[in-house]
Amino acid sequence: AQSVAQPEDQVNVAEGNPLTVKCTYSVSGNPYLFWYVQYPNRGLQFLLKYITGDNLVKGSYGFEAEFNKSQTSFHLKKPSALVSDSALYFCAVSLSGGYQKVTFGIGTKLQVIP
Amino acid sequence: GAGVSQSPSNKVTEKGKDVELRCDPISGHTALYWYRQSLGQGLEFLIYFQGNSAPDKSGLPSDRFSAERTGGSVSTLTIQRTQQEDSAVYLCASSSPTGGVGNTIYFGEGSWLTVV
Repeated sequence: AQSVAQPEDQVNVAEGNPLTVKCTYSVSGNPYLFWYVQYPNRGLQFLLKYITGDNLVKGSYGFEAEFNKSQTSFHLKKPSALVSDSALYFCAVSLSGGYQKVTFGIGTKLQVIP
Repeated sequence: GAGVSQSPSNKVTEKGKDVELRCDPISGHTALYWYRQSLGQGLEFLIYFQGNSAPDKSGLPSDRFSAERTGGSVSTLTIQRTQQEDSAVYLCASSSPTGGVGNTIYFGEGSWLTVV
């Protein structure tokens, strides 16, 4: 069975500093990997995905993530955090190919301190 | 439609009553998911529909919960004899394996259920 681990319940970072939100995955084959963000009282919004190709994926709002196959990781990063980045972040995985179920992690709360 | 649509957006119901939550996925999306999210918490998977395949019901927390998807489009999540612990946001999402999007899931804004 596939799974996603987000080892940190909460990440605190000062505004202007780089941020990292960690994600590792387990899947029996090649993965598709996703990051979503949820602002208070809203649904989840798609940030970025890795399907194939370049291991460094760039997404919305200046976020990026690096696919590392050997470490089965897909950490979310941003060079300079904004207070408005404070939200709940979810990592997700599916097997590559069509008609595959997507599995989410439990989420990590990011708090950017002014 | 342009996005995943859920109704009602808010529902307050009395303990013991039945509720129905509706999800209208993005047109053409073959996959549909229901999740539950308690206040400030992570996503709890409930059920997954994919085309004409048998749904994955492994996340339904009890037999009071059921879901159906008619005609491969609209889905209804039904909670019978609601309990206070059912209070949560119920999120629907849909996806399509076509178009090179790699099963990217798109979420609705959720149905906020409060059981009093």
